[in-house]
Amino acid sequence: DTGVSQNPRHKITKRGQNVTFRCDPISEHNRLYWYRQTLGQGPEFLTYFQNEAQLEKSRLLSDRFSAERPKGSFSTLEIQRTEQGDSAMYLCASSLWGNMNTEAFFGQGTRLTVV
Amino acid sequence: EDKVVQSPLSLVVHEGDTVTLNCSYEVTNFRSLLWYKQEKKAPTFLFMLTSSGIEKKSGRLSSILDKKELFSILNITATQTGDSAVYLCAVETSGSRLTFGEGTQLTVNP
Repeated sequence: DTGVSQNPRHKITKRGQNVTFRCDPISEHNRLYWYRQTLGQGPEFLTYFQNEAQLEKSRLLSDRFSAERPKGSFSTLEIQRTEQGDSAMYLCASSLWGNMNTEAFFGQGTRLTVV
Repeated sequence: EDKVVQSPLSLVVHEGDTVTLNCSYEVTNFRSLLWYKQEKKAPTFLFMLTSSGIEKKSGRLSSILDKKELFSILNITATQTGDSAVYLCAVETSGSRLTFGEGTQLTVNP
């Protein structure tokens, strides 16, 4: 296992289009997180899953955003009707939670540019 | 609302200097404080701190947490150009979500 994997690495889309990103976590990790990072800022929490259950969503996550983790393994983040303000780096992280907790390991991110 | 503040926001030093990066926080349901290094890609984990006063060290890097005064520092001694990066401080709260500070952009010049 080479760590958290995100695809695509870069995405350029026209305003109003829908986009979907994929995250494959470290295989034994049961928690998966999505963060958004804009230039010069730290990552901001969007949502997280424990196995297939989405346990928390940030107020930042408008109704145009939806995330799924259908089988408790990979996750997708979809943005509908993209806006220029959605341009950012979308980071996925995973961790092990339970008897032995680990820190969050981050993927390389998907950089979204909305033109 | 949970808040993490880092200072300074940017720092330029010469190789060999020692630097201290600061992180203060105001959160509910504190679980741990983490430091990450980010070099134009994924943040990479440096330290996790849960107890006050216990220094964690890794090579030239060290960090300590003060839960009474609600802050942490990250020290880097004998800096090298490869230390140039953004250093992120994050606080883990219940539910294990991370609240990040803005980061400190460190530039080490030869």
